Amino acid sequence: KQEVTQIPAALSVPEGENLVLNCSFTDSAIYNLQWFRQDPGKGLTSLLLIQSSQREQTSGRLNASLDKSSGRSTLYIAASQPGDSATYLCATISGGSYIPTFGRGTSLIVHP
Amino acid sequence: DAGVTQSPTHLIKTRGQQVTLRCSPKSGHDTVSWYQQALGQGPQFIFQYYEEEERQRGNFPDRFSGHQFPNYSSELNVNALLLGDSALYLCASSWRTTGGDQPQHFGDGTRLSIL
Repeated sequence: KQEVTQIPAALSVPEGENLVLNCSFTDSAIYNLQWFRQDPGKGLTSLLLIQSSQREQTSGRLNASLDKSSGRSTLYIAASQPGDSATYLCATISGGSYIPTFGRGTSLIVHP
Repeated sequence: DAGVTQSPTHLIKTRGQQVTLRCSPKSGHDTVSWYQQALGQGPQFIFQYYEEEERQRGNFPDRFSGHQFPNYSSELNVNALLLGDSALYLCASSWRTTGGDQPQHFGDGTRLSIL
């Protein structure tokens, strides 16, 4: 059974810092890995999707990397802004079943 | 281009009652998935519908059932509600491919509270 862990659970930083959020998974036989953002009381917004054959994806100030062999993914946020404050979740889709498994998320606060 | 819409936004029920939640997928999407998100937790996969059939199911009891209509919209039904069913219920849609390699688009969810 796939287990996804996100570290840290919470993070509070001043504006302008570069951040690294971590996601680890126990079963490396994944089809893809996706990073989401969730604002309080809202649904999830897809940020980046990395296929199992890829090593990284970039969108604006966001960069996500994937190392299947070590069961890890990182989300790098450059020059953080107060508007980046949200919970960030990662999810894997296991090969074959296509059932997604989510981590509990990292709650990020960026203060001015 | 409307995104994923869910109704109602909030709902209060008592133990033992039944509830129906509704979801309209993003335009052009044909696959709908349902998730349960308890407070402070990540979403848990309930099931997925494609071509009006349940294709995948997570570890949820038979009290949780669903339906997909010809226009791709979907309903989630929960019978014999328990206090532990209190959660945010999320619907996500995608375009089904052979490998599920498309990102899912989520609605804002239905907040269900059981008294």
